Amino acid sequence: EPEVTQTPSHQVTQMGQEVILRCVPISNHLYFYWYRQILGQKVEFLVSFYNNEISEKSEIFDDQFSVERPDGSNFTLKIRSTKLEDSAMYFCASSDPVGNEQFFGPGTRLTVL
Amino acid sequence: GQSLEQPSEVTAVEGAIVQINCTYQTSGFYGLSWYQQHDGGAPTFLSYNALDGLEETGRFSSFLSRSDSYGYLLLQELQMKDSASYFCAVINKGTYKYIFGTGTRLKVLA
Repeated sequence: EPEVTQTPSHQVTQMGQEVILRCVPISNHLYFYWYRQILGQKVEFLVSFYNNEISEKSEIFDDQFSVERPDGSNFTLKIRSTKLEDSAMYFCASSDPVGNEQFFGPGTRLTVL
Repeated sequence: GQSLEQPSEVTAVEGAIVQINCTYQTSGFYGLSWYQQHDGGAPTFLSYNALDGLEETGRFSSFLSRSDSYGYLLLQELQMKDSASYFCAVINKGTYKYIFGTGTRLKVLA
């Protein structure tokens, strides 16, 4: 069964550094998403991406964040100048053209020291 | 603004039936989804309602009333493995922006 994959599973970085979180969505899906979940809290929408551009972003997704689909398979989230409060689990998801069911990757746990 | 409210925690015994409610305030409503998340895991899709009424998938059913901005997830014949967090999520029309609810932690007791 096709699945969304994410790398790395755990990323530790120093405050102020840049990180890139990587995702490989399901191959025939057209909609891609990034979410953040701070431990014990709800899943927070960051950004949705369709047709090689951002279709929607939340107020969390400020200039510190960017997304890219550098080739036909990868979908990346870049976080510049990381802060302590960026420590969270970051989930990538993709959905088929219908858009109602999202398939989530296993997540990347980001720890900012 | 946009918000979804759920009870924070529900406890039930094996074999019982439990209902998890979700009330929402949003613009451009397209549909309501439910996701299950076990501790340390990723959310997994359970159900989706775009129209009013009940959708049934095995032991799980989901209901939507658009006029009341309300939905619920019904879990029947509870099993220990159903212990998890359950999130409702509203989908915004056009942008496919998903807003997740606050989550309900379900504890199933033997």
